[in-house]
This record gives sequence, structure tokens and C-alpha cells, in this order.
Amino acid sequence: DAGVIQSPRHEVTEMGQEVTLRCKPISGHNSLFWYRQTMMRGLELLIYFNNNVPIDDSGMPEDRFSAKMPNASFSTLKIQPSEPRDSAVYFCASSSSPGTGEQYFGPGTRLTVT
Amino acid sequence: DAKTTQPPSMDCAEGRAANLPCNHSTISGNEYVYWYRQIHSQGPQYIIHGLKNNETNEMASLIITEDRKSSTLILPHATLRDTAVYYCIVRVAGSGGSNYKLTFGKGTLLTVNP
Repeated sequence: DAGVIQSPRHEVTEMGQEVTLRCKPISGHNSLFWYRQTMMRGLELLIYFNNNVPIDDSGMPEDRFSAKMPNASFSTLKIQPSEPRDSAVYFCASSSSPGTGEQYFGPGTRLTVT
Repeated sequence: DAKTTQPPSMDCAEGRAANLPCNHSTISGNEYVYWYRQIHSQGPQYIIHGLKNNETNEMASLIITEDRKSSTLILPHATLRDTAVYYCIVRVAGSGGSNYKLTFGKGTLLTVNP
């Protein structure tokens, strides 16, 4: 089975531009997580969906960040407008059950905002 | 969730066992110990988890002390591909409340040397 798929793998954009990151979770998984990883702050949970519904978005840095999950097989994380401090690796993870603690991560999207 | 303490780095010779320690002295009775690893430029990967009994799977063994205040992840025959940051995480199992969260610390950088 394919794992979690993320696109693009690398994104370079200029400050002020809109950025959209995409994620396809593992088929059959009903929980989806977006994380951000930086050297300074490590790996941080941004938002968690269960059955396509956002459950916890307390980790979303500010209103410039938004996430959607229109169906069980697709999610987006959008940054508008982007800023240099948003530069990071963004990971999507999915799980068959939020209670298991077993999350399966995608390869990540490396975002650079200049 | 209880906090964990791990050494920042360790070395291991290829082919030898790698023993990665983790202290979690404030762990609660209903908290599990999870181990993940992150190979450079990849997403975190689930390895193993346990409550109080020792656990083994195809990747590793998890030894939890009787008082549950510490644990050791054992890679029986380390290879160069096992070079990664290893994260020890404790969290409550079950899907209630905020049990979906995995809080990643700084982990241990294991370097397997030829």
C-alpha cells in the first residue's frame, strides 16, 4: 500500500505569496495530522482532523494558516500571505485511530519563503 | 503527558546492539511509552510502543523497567541505515480528550559507525 503522499516535496516562494501544501492520507485512515518542523522549535502539531472534521487547531500559528479536509482522501494546508518565518518542513501524518498512537508520516514538504 | 529525558547523542558500531535509554520518571499508570525515529530528510517513523511488559517487533525491542520510570529501545543489530534521531514519547492511550497528541522532544541522535 502507498504511504502518506505529500506534494509538492519542495516549494520556494516569495514573501506575500499564497502557498498550498497537499496531503493524501493512507486509505482507510480516519485521522489526519499536520506538523511543522524547524530547527528552533522541533516538531509541532498544527492541526488534527478526525473523520474529516477539524478537532484541534490550537497549533495553527495565526490566521494566515488554514487547513481543510474536503474528503477522506485529501487535505490541504494553506498559508496566505507567506512570510520568511514560515520556512520549515511540513509533515502530514495519518492514523487508523487517534487513540493508537501509531501515526504514519509522509515525506514532508520543504517550504522556503524568501 | 509525562515528560521524557533522552541523551542528545549516542554512537554505535555497525552490527552491534544499540541501546537507547529514556527516562520518564513522572509517567502515569495509564500512559504508554512510544518510540519513533526520524532518518535525515524523512518523516518520523513509528517503531514500537508498550505499557509495562517488554515488547518486540521486527524493528526493535522495548524494555520497560518494573517501576516504569525508564525504558530502553534496543536495535539488536544496528546498520548504517539506523542512523537517525530516536524519539521517546509517553502518552495516554485511547481516543478521548487530547489523547491523539504526540509530543516530540529533541530525541537522541544515534550514529551507527562502520
